[in-house]
Amino acid sequence: AQSVTQLGSHVSVSEGALVLLRCNYSSSVPPYLFWYVQYPNQGLQLLLKYTSAATLVKGINGFEAEFKKSETSFHLTKPSAHMSDAAEYFCAVSGGVTGGGNKLTFGTGTQLKVEL
Amino acid sequence: GAVVSQHPSRVICKSGTSVKIECRSLDFQATTMFWYRQFPKQSLMLMATSNEGSKATYEQGVEKDKFLINHASLTLSTLTVTSAHPEDSSFYICSAQNTEAFFGQGTRLTVV
Repeated sequence: AQSVTQLGSHVSVSEGALVLLRCNYSSSVPPYLFWYVQYPNQGLQLLLKYTSAATLVKGINGFEAEFKKSETSFHLTKPSAHMSDAAEYFCAVSGGVTGGGNKLTFGTGTQLKVEL
Repeated sequence: GAVVSQHPSRVICKSGTSVKIECRSLDFQATTMFWYRQFPKQSLMLMATSNEGSKATYEQGVEKDKFLINHASLTLSTLTVTSAHPEDSSFYICSAQNTEAFFGQGTRLTVV
């Protein structure tokens, strides 16, 4: 079984500041980890994914995440926040690549607010 | 990335009527699609796994007679909310998967 825990349902940063969204996972098998972004009344867009290759994963829009097995973490970061980054972010885990029938289990989400 | 189209984006229906939501993978074939429900300010809860040519697999607590899923082709899955009631009002999202999951735009269902 897999699960993810996102610490902090709301995070607020100033424009230009570092963004750090936390995600810890639990998995009985080597995990595949994902970060998605959701804008209001829209579906989810994949930001990046970890699939057992490089532990530092770079995604779209300047986001990156580092897989740390010792800490069971997959925190999402961005060096400099932009107003357009304001959205809901979901961490997700799968027991395999999300092809075929591998299910995604989502965290509860973190609402990112970017202030001037 | 691949495109998944979900239709309609918004629907308002009267209590007791049925509503059909379509999910199409536009540029790839998806043997498996997933249906999620999302309550306001909450995460996505998996409702069911839709398999082309076979019966859907429902998650515990999801009424299969209430939420009918049909996956008639490799590019189309439908979710029908039967005899809808106000408590069925929610945001429904589908995803189709090949090497990764691609999500539809979601459907905002309001039952009045």
